[in-house]
Amino acid sequence: DGGITQSPKYLFRKEGQNVTLSCEQNLNHDAMYWYRQDPGQGLRLIYYSQIVNDFQKGDIAEGYSVSREKKESFPLTVTSAQKNPTAFYLCASSFGTGRGNTEAFFGQGTRLTVV
Amino acid sequence: GQSLEQPSEVTAVEGAIVQINCTYQTSGFYGLSWYQQHDGGAPTFLSYNALDGLEETGRFSSFLSRSDSYGYLLLQELQMKDSASYFCAVLRDDKIIFGKGTRLHILP
Repeated sequence: DGGITQSPKYLFRKEGQNVTLSCEQNLNHDAMYWYRQDPGQGLRLIYYSQIVNDFQKGDIAEGYSVSREKKESFPLTVTSAQKNPTAFYLCASSFGTGRGNTEAFFGQGTRLTVV
Repeated sequence: GQSLEQPSEVTAVEGAIVQINCTYQTSGFYGLSWYQQHDGGAPTFLSYNALDGLEETGRFSSFLSRSDSYGYLLLQELQMKDSASYFCAVLRDDKIIFGKGTRLHILP
């Protein structure tokens, strides 16, 4: 079955450590996105990529990094520079904004907690 | 700044109809989408309006007026399982931007 998979579902990190969140899709989508969601809040865009080997900063990119070496994969690294990393992280993919349609498919999310 | 505005909370009674509004300010507008998110879950796509008018999908309908930069999601015959957050979203500069979401509370 086609879909988008995030792992792990829960992640605990010590202060000062970098952690990488995985996101893989087999939907043949060109575009991929990372969002952060805090309790009771909306989705804020961290990074996005419209094509392999290219990505752009979203609204809250500071303290995060990404790579897009393969079409299927868009991992997110939360670095020690991120001051408040505890949040719910959502990865999404779509056919690409060139078609105008914003139908995005989301992974089940990774809940990151700094301990 | 925030380019999508929607109410933070709406309360309705089971079996009734509820409308969730969304106003937007964005250039290069293509269309308006709606997503549903249950607590602890991932958002799921509900609808997309590229043209003015009403799109109906079962109990859910979505409306768009591009001249008014306004749209709404209409939920009919409300069920308890419809208790969730609902987000409108637009495309802006190759990014999918979401509103802050409307929490729908349904009373029995």
